[in-house]
Amino acid sequence: QKEVEQDPGPLSVPEGAIVSLNCTYSNSAFQYFMWYRQYSRKGPELLMYTYSSGNKEDGRFTAQVDKSSKYISLFIRDSQPSDSATYLCAMSVYNQGGKLIFGQGTELSVKP
Amino acid sequence: KAGVTQTPRYLIKTRGQQVTLSCSPISGHRSVSWYQQTPGQGLQFLFEYFSETQRNKGNFPGRFSGRQFSNSRSEMNVSTLELGDSALYLCASSKGESTEAFFGQGTRLTVV
Repeated sequence: QKEVEQDPGPLSVPEGAIVSLNCTYSNSAFQYFMWYRQYSRKGPELLMYTYSSGNKEDGRFTAQVDKSSKYISLFIRDSQPSDSATYLCAMSVYNQGGKLIFGQGTELSVKP
Repeated sequence: KAGVTQTPRYLIKTRGQQVTLSCSPISGHRSVSWYQQTPGQGLQFLFEYFSETQRNKGNFPGRFSGRQFSNSRSEMNVSTLELGDSALYLCASSKGESTEAFFGQGTRLTVV
């Protein structure tokens, strides 16, 4: 079983929809949680960075962390065709430096 | 502010050869991590360097090695290339322990 599980999709939604992306994890030592967006043939772009449990909002994006359930989410409001990309969740443990453990990524397509 | 720069962007090598990839981190960042991305395995951590010392290492064979210079620039070397080494190699830089990590555009390596 992988440490971080993420549904690969693909997920297709109409423009303007609210998108919900999720990851579950098994390692209770994870403390730092990130969401990255990756366009085809590009490097991952950091969208959200959160520590421990709680919510964080940045524009149309909201990240949620529920450590008790080992579950994290990314919500995208008013989705746009330009949001079409692969979304990757990543996590790390404090004493393991820069080592990030990634989910498989969810491919999202927003249709005009 | 300049981002993470990886060179070259594309490489084609023959089995048995060796290859060196380069990564220049964001100015002021002392941590550089390397990842391998393939369709089947996703993003996997190779190793991390901080202040010229390897701080963390993933589960890859000894053919994969790296180093970091005093200006924080890092190189990754793969010796005796195998077909399975074909992948997108990404580096990420961060200020230090468990801080936001920013990725470069990657080097796409094809082994023939």
